[in-house]
Amino acid sequence: RKEVEQDPGPFNVPEGATVAFNCTYSNSASQSFFWYRQDCRKEPKLLMSVYSSGNEDGRFTAQLNRASQYISLLIRDSKLSDSATYLCVVNRGGTSYGKLTFGQGTILTVHP
Amino acid sequence: NAGVMQNPRHLVRRRGQEARLRCSPMKGHSHVYWYRQLPEEGLKFMVYLQKENIIDESGMPKERFSAEFPKEGPSILRIQQVVRGDSAAYFCASSPDPGSGEKLFFGSGTQLSVL
Repeated sequence: RKEVEQDPGPFNVPEGATVAFNCTYSNSASQSFFWYRQDCRKEPKLLMSVYSSGNEDGRFTAQLNRASQYISLLIRDSKLSDSATYLCVVNRGGTSYGKLTFGQGTILTVHP
Repeated sequence: NAGVMQNPRHLVRRRGQEARLRCSPMKGHSHVYWYRQLPEEGLKFMVYLQKENIIDESGMPKERFSAEFPKEGPSILRIQQVVRGDSAAYFCASSPDPGSGEKLFFGSGTQLSVL
């Protein structure tokens, strides 16, 4: 079983749609959680951190359920520029420093 | 303040040759991480280095791969006797401290193609 699992998609949605991605992780010792974005296999870029209380950044909302070991990302009012691969990422924290575990990514295509 | 610089951007090697990938961290960053992304897969951690020290190489293949981060100069990921399965994107990231995902800055990557 992969340590971080995501539905690879692809998700094809029209502009303005709301889309949700899910992710599960297997290591209960994981302490930090993130969503990264990767365009056309360029470098991954941090989209947002994910906190237990849930957090929002503009059109993006992230949720974490530690009991279920489940992470989600909601994108509202999708834009063409949101087309990318979204990577669910976990970190064990503590002495695990920048050793991140990436999911394989969910591909999103937003069309006119 | 320049970001994480990786070179070359693209590297083509024939089977059996050596590949050397370079990474210059952001100014003030002394922690370097290498990740590999095989086609159709997610990024996988390879190695974590601080200046002159390998801290964690648990993700490095046992043979042919080595990494260094000398006191002066960039970090180098070296792959000896490359095989087709080494074809991948290799990303370097740096941080100012051991940190976590919030403090990692990634370079643009080196795309290695083995013929």
